[in-house]
Amino acid sequence: EAQVTQNPRYLITVTGKKLTVTCSQNMNHEYMSWYRQDPGLGLRQIYYSMNVEVTDKGDVPEGYKVSRKEKRNFPLILESPSPNQTSLYFCASSGTPNTGELFFGEGSRLTVL
Amino acid sequence: RKEVEQDPGPFNVPEGATVAFNCTYSNSASQSFFWYRQDCRKEPKLLMSVYSSGNEDGRFTAQLNRASQYISLLIRDSKLSDSATYLCVVTQRSYIPTFGRGTSLIVHP
Repeated sequence: EAQVTQNPRYLITVTGKKLTVTCSQNMNHEYMSWYRQDPGLGLRQIYYSMNVEVTDKGDVPEGYKVSRKEKRNFPLILESPSPNQTSLYFCASSGTPNTGELFFGEGSRLTVL
Repeated sequence: RKEVEQDPGPFNVPEGATVAFNCTYSNSASQSFFWYRQDCRKEPKLLMSVYSSGNEDGRFTAQLNRASQYISLLIRDSKLSDSATYLCVVTQRSYIPTFGRGTSLIVHP
């Protein structure tokens, strides 16, 4: 089954404790992206990747890091989480992002205390 | 001005009603247009692409007006199951899809 898998789905952590949200897709997509969704603000792009070893900042990259060492994986790293990073995070992938469908993971709800 | 703007709603309509949403975009170089549906606390899913000539999928009709820089979504014969948030998505050559904040639809009995 074609899918985008994120883990963990839910996480409560404390300020400053490094964490990683993993994202994996099995569709051989070149394009992958991370979004955060907050009430009233909609989906905002954090980082995206056009291919292995190619990553670029989105609209809200501050406080986040990503890596793309393999085509299927695109982890999101919060080196020192802060309460303003409490949000719902979505990973997405696409074979042709400009003209095709974005496939989303089920989301990861992160709370930073 | 935001790149992609939608009326957040909510649009509250009875079953069987016809409802329409608009979405305006600011960049005239925008190339591709989509409507996504998002249920509460779930991931967005593609509802339909929007083509220049307009397109229909069952009860859903999407249209693009490049001159006025907006796209629309028309839902006929609304069902309870249509209740969701509808996201407008616009992409440009930069391959960065830009999402609107969504329009909430509530269909009541």
